Amino acid sequence: AQSVTQLGSHVSVSEGALVLLRCNYSSSVPPYLFWYVQYPNQGLQLLLKYTTGATLVKGINGFEAEFKKSETSFHLTKPSAHMSDAAEYFCAVSDRVQGAQKLVFGQGTRLTINP
Amino acid sequence: KAGVTQTPRYLIKTRGQQVTLSCSPISGHRSVSWYQQTPGQGLQFLFEYFSETQRNKGNFPGRFSGRQFSNSRSEMNVSTLELGDSALYLCASRGSSGELFFGEGSRLTVL
Repeated sequence: AQSVTQLGSHVSVSEGALVLLRCNYSSSVPPYLFWYVQYPNQGLQLLLKYTTGATLVKGINGFEAEFKKSETSFHLTKPSAHMSDAAEYFCAVSDRVQGAQKLVFGQGTRLTINP
Repeated sequence: KAGVTQTPRYLIKTRGQQVTLSCSPISGHRSVSWYQQTPGQGLQFLFEYFSETQRNKGNFPGRFSGRQFSNSRSEMNVSTLELGDSALYLCASRGSSGELFFGEGSRLTVL
C-alpha cells in the first residue's frame, strides 16, 4: 500500500525567503503525486500534480515540485514566500485498487510566514 | 464551471443521533469520494462512488454509509453518532488525471 511522509509538521519562514516543504512517498507502482493547500475553515485546493512526463511540475501561486524517483521524494518549493502562503499543505499519493482510487495523504505541514 | 458543493457547512448533533451530508460534484464528474479530517487522525478515506456503485471503502465502522444518485450527487450518513465523529467531512470529485477537487466541507460537532 502507498504511504506518504511529510517531514516537519510545522515550518516557519520569513516573508521573501525560500519555502521548502518535504514529502517522501512509498509506492509499489509508478505514483501519481499531488500537493494540496488548505486555508482555515476551507476545503483542500489542488496546488499541483505529477502524473507522467516532466519531473519538475509547476503549480498555482508560484509553487513547484520535483519528482525524484531515486529518492522517492516530491518536495514542494516556492522561491519567495508571501504572507498569503500561510496555510496547511498536504502531500498525497494516488492508491489505485481494482479501478477504484483513493488518495493517501501525509499528515500535513503548517506553514507560518514571519513578517 | 461550478465547484464541488457540500451542504450543510456546519451542524451540531448530540450523541446517538444520525446525520446526512450532501455533496454535488463538478458537472460531468462521475466519481465522488468522501474523506474525514480530524486533528488527530488527519485525512482519512471513507469511500468512493462511481456511477451509483461503491467502488472502494476505507476502514470505518458500518455506522458510516453513503450512496450516489443517478445525477452523481452523493450523500453520506452517520448513524448513532459518537463524540469521536466530530470532524470536517470533505467530499471530492475526480478529474481526468486522478486529481481530486474538494468541496469546502461539512463541519460536524457532536455534543
